[in-house]
Amino acid sequence: DSGVTQTPKHLITATGQRVTLRCSPRSGDLSVYWYQQSLDQGLQFLIQYYNGEERAKGNILERFSAQQFPDLHSELNLSSLELGDSALYFCASSISGGNTEAFFGQGTRLTVV
Amino acid sequence: GENVEQHPSTLSVQEGDSAVIKCTYSDSASNYFPWYKQELGKRPQLIIDIRSNVGEKKDQRIAVTLNKTAKHFSLHITETQPEDSAVYFCAASSGLGGGAGSYQLTFGKGTKLSVIP
Repeated sequence: DSGVTQTPKHLITATGQRVTLRCSPRSGDLSVYWYQQSLDQGLQFLIQYYNGEERAKGNILERFSAQQFPDLHSELNLSSLELGDSALYFCASSISGGNTEAFFGQGTRLTVV
Repeated sequence: GENVEQHPSTLSVQEGDSAVIKCTYSDSASNYFPWYKQELGKRPQLIIDIRSNVGEKKDQRIAVTLNKTAKHFSLHITETQPEDSAVYFCAASSGLGGGAGSYQLTFGKGTKLSVIP
């Protein structure tokens, strides 16, 4: 158990819908990252937050948004879903940022039908 | 931003042989290089990491080497076992400019290692 909790584990929804993925980082970790992993693909960086502030954006679509709350948990919102958004979404957390070990959650498997 | 290239994309070795995975990075200011192992259907987990002030680091059958001049680093697994079969990701940490938490972790595309018994 990495200490990073992601909910839900599985999500099936229809095209055009909106979903929210939730991540609770390890106790004490200030940085949260979101990654998308499609079938047989690598880890595509979406966005990073540090202590409530957005720090970096990767290949995140405009239909996607995220935030980190005062209690440091984070949510990734995916809207106007398309079939191609089906993927495994990972959240990771680290103490200070990308120069320290990042601990991954178990991921949320999103299936868009 | 940082760009990390990883080779090969797939690697098959006989049990007991060594495996080597290589990565190159673009940002000369990157200073932290972790390696993650992802078993099928599971989350990536850190197996070893190295910082830019060190040239080599070992942990039992796993070692990582770093060449800052050439901007490449490698993962070496000796005496491979079937349980080493997984996807391995390298990553590089580059600064975003100023302030705490200002580092981005960029991953390579992964290497699928298969250890044949």
